[in-house]
Amino acid sequence: EPEVTQTPSHQVTQMGQEVILRCVPISNHLYFYWYRQILGQKVEFLVSFYNNEISEKSEIFDDQFSVERPDGSNFTLKIRSTKLEDSAMYFCASQKTTSTDTQYFGPGTRLTVL
Amino acid sequence: AQSVTQPDIHITVSEGASLELRCNYSYGATPYLFWYVQSPGQGLQLLLKYFSGDTLVQGIKGFEAEFKRSQSSFNLRKPSVHWSDAAEYFCAVGLLKAAGNKLTFGGGTRVLVKP
Repeated sequence: EPEVTQTPSHQVTQMGQEVILRCVPISNHLYFYWYRQILGQKVEFLVSFYNNEISEKSEIFDDQFSVERPDGSNFTLKIRSTKLEDSAMYFCASQKTTSTDTQYFGPGTRLTVL
Repeated sequence: AQSVTQPDIHITVSEGASLELRCNYSYGATPYLFWYVQSPGQGLQLLLKYFSGDTLVQGIKGFEAEFKRSQSSFNLRKPSVHWSDAAEYFCAVGLLKAAGNKLTFGGGTRVLVKP
């Protein structure tokens, strides 16, 4: 069964550094998402992406965050200057359409900012 | 804005016993409701979803959930739990828009299964 993959599984970085989290969505899917889960808290929506542009973003997704689909297979989340509070598990998800289709989640990247 | 509450943070159940996980939502329109499960080191896997129609929804792994509009609830049940059901379970409500389905999650319920 096709699945969403994410790399790396764990990323450690210094505060102020840039990080790029990578996701490979399921190949025929059209809608892409990033969510995050700070330890002990809820899974939170960050951004949705369709037709090569952001369709919705949360208040968390400020100017330090950006997303890109640089080629036909990858979907990336960049954090320009990481803060301690960016430490979290980041999940990528993809969806074929927005009707009743399922959002399929990747296994997550755990980001630790020191 | 929509919100989801899962009142139970932890539940411990004996193998073979029944399980019920509670979920309450707040949403102004007809909700799209989901249950996901997360096993250690794994992503979120969809167990079942409700969009319309029959309020009793069957899912994978023997799970079912019942939508009760009057109680704003979407509780998840399983008649007989297996040790492999130990995991964290998340209820979510979806907002359907033309260009995306933002999901709002509850805080999760961690299920421990005793032999």
